[in-house]
Amino acid sequence: ELKVEQNPLFLSMQEGKNYTIYCNYSTTSDRLYWYRQDPGKSLESLFVLLSNGAVKQEGRLMASLDTKARLSTLHITAAVHDLSATYFCAVEGRGTSGSRLTFGEGTQLTVNP
Amino acid sequence: NAGVMQNPRHLVRRRGQEARLRCSPMKGHSHVYWYRQLPEEGLKFMVYLQKENIIDESGMPKERFSAEFPKEGPSILRIQQVVRGDSAAYFCASSPLPFLNTEAFFGQGTRLTVV
Repeated sequence: ELKVEQNPLFLSMQEGKNYTIYCNYSTTSDRLYWYRQDPGKSLESLFVLLSNGAVKQEGRLMASLDTKARLSTLHITAAVHDLSATYFCAVEGRGTSGSRLTFGEGTQLTVNP
Repeated sequence: NAGVMQNPRHLVRRRGQEARLRCSPMKGHSHVYWYRQLPEEGLKFMVYLQKENIIDESGMPKERFSAEFPKEGPSILRIQQVVRGDSAAYFCASSPLPFLNTEAFFGQGTRLTVV
């Protein structure tokens, strides 16, 4: 059974600081997603990482994937308050009859002024 | 092209009643996935359907829960005789192909509260 673990689960940081969220998964996978969720809202797709060594950047967020280590990171540069949200990684795994996403527990990020 | 539409957005049911949650996939999408999110937790897979077929229901509770995706109309997630523990946000996602080949898009979710 595919397991996905994120850490930290809670992150409080000051504006302007840098930090990294980690996502470990237990079995080989073809792709990994990062999502953002604001309270009471749906999931917003941030990144789709398709291969070993993939790196994608959008604004202050950068995601990378190391399939050999089964590890993805989401790096936050010079955080701003608007980045406060919960961030999920999700790994595609093969179910018995097709593929599905398995989500981590989420990292609740609070950026303080 | 409208996104994945779920309704209702909020649903309140008394214990023992039935809850019906609807998901209209994006145009051209024939694959639907339902996920449940308990408070302060991540999303848990429930069921994967294609038109008129249940492909993978390994995440569905064995009793009281059922799902369908008819040839015409939205996908329905039905919960019979709801209990307090069913209170959660239920999200559906749709894609034109199975997850393996393309990204899926999530709806806004239905927040079910059982009182």
